Amino acid sequence: KAGVTQTPRYLIKTRGQQVTLSCSPISGHRSVSWYQQTPGQGLQFLFEYFSETQRNKGNFPGRFSGRQFSNSRSEMNVSTLELGDSALYLCASSLVEAPLSYEQYFGPGTRLTVT
Amino acid sequence: GENVEQHPSTLSVQEGDSAVIKCTYSDSASNYFPWYKQELGKRPQLIIDIRSNVGEKKDQRIAVTLNKTAKHFSLHITETQPEDSAVYFCAADSGAGSYQLTFGKGTKLSVIP
Repeated sequence: KAGVTQTPRYLIKTRGQQVTLSCSPISGHRSVSWYQQTPGQGLQFLFEYFSETQRNKGNFPGRFSGRQFSNSRSEMNVSTLELGDSALYLCASSLVEAPLSYEQYFGPGTRLTVT
Repeated sequence: GENVEQHPSTLSVQEGDSAVIKCTYSDSASNYFPWYKQELGKRPQLIIDIRSNVGEKKDQRIAVTLNKTAKHFSLHITETQPEDSAVYFCAADSGAGSYQLTFGKGTKLSVIP
């Protein structure tokens, strides 16, 4: 099976702009989670989607949003970009069927640089 | 919310020696504890995980132990090899079927040939 894919892999944006990142989960996986990875804060949970519904949300401002489509693909959007949003954005997918339901498999990430 | 502490932040071992990384968590509702390995410039890879109804799990040279009473879990790597060099992250879920993982800050493991 193909792994989790993310597009684009690299992105450079200017402060104040908005950005949309895309994630395609492993075939058959129905849950998609998003994480932000920075050298200072490590890996931090943004949100998780299942069946087009956001089930969990981390402690990030409302500028960070996401959605999931009926084919389980997910997008996340960051509006009004700030310099501190520069990070590696990782998505992870899960099968959501016991007994493998909690395992999360990561994509390669999107490296976002805000200038 | 959940808080996960990971120690040490860096670890150097000689090839063939063992390496141990320890994590503590705060939320007694947590049930799932995965470990990820991240090589430079690559995605985090799930290497082993343990659920709260199990005390220990082994997979070849890697083992994880869990002490629910003390709220800590550890990763043990035996017979380390240079290719084990990477950053290792522990994580804990938020319980109640949540897919939200809280990660430790990571341990940079260097295996010296």
